[in-house]
Amino acid sequence: QKEVEQDPGPLSVPEGAIVSLNCTYSNSAFQYFMWYRQYSRKGPELLMYTYSSGNKEDGRFTAQVDKSSKYISLFIRDSQPSDSATYLCAMSETGGGNKLTFGTGTQLKVEL
Amino acid sequence: KAGVTQTPRYLIKTRGQQVTLSCSPISGHRSVSWYQQTPGQGLQFLFEYFSETQRNKGNFPGRFSGRQFSNSRSEMNVSTLELGDSALYLCASSLDRSTEAFFGQGTRLTVV
Repeated sequence: QKEVEQDPGPLSVPEGAIVSLNCTYSNSAFQYFMWYRQYSRKGPELLMYTYSSGNKEDGRFTAQVDKSSKYISLFIRDSQPSDSATYLCAMSETGGGNKLTFGTGTQLKVEL
Repeated sequence: KAGVTQTPRYLIKTRGQQVTLSCSPISGHRSVSWYQQTPGQGLQFLFEYFSETQRNKGNFPGRFSGRQFSNSRSEMNVSTLELGDSALYLCASSLDRSTEAFFGQGTRLTVV
């Protein structure tokens, strides 16, 4: 069993929809949680960086962490075609500068 | 502010050869990590350097090595290349070990 599980999709939604992306994990030592967006043939781009449990909002993006359930989510409001990409969750015991453990990524397509 | 720069962007090598990849972190960042991304295994942690010292290492054979220079620039080397080493190699930099990690565009290595 992998330390981090993520539904690979693909997930297809109409423009303007609310998108929910999720990851579960098994390592209770994870304290830092990240979401990255990766376009084809590009490097991952950091979207959200959170520490411990709770919610964090940044524009159309909201990240939620529930450490008691070992479950994290990323919500995208008013989705746009430009949001079409692969979304990767990542986790670390001590911070982003140290070893990150990634989910396999969810491929999202936002259609007109 | 310049991002993480990786060179070269593309490489084609023959089995048995060795290769060196370079990463220049964001100015002021002292932590550099390397990751391998393949369709089958996703993003996997190779190693992390901080202040010229390797702080953490993933589960890769000894053919994979790296180093960090006093200006925080980093190189990774793969010796005796195998077909399975074909991948996107990504470098990430962070201010220190507990802060956000930002990725470069990667070096796509093809072993033939």
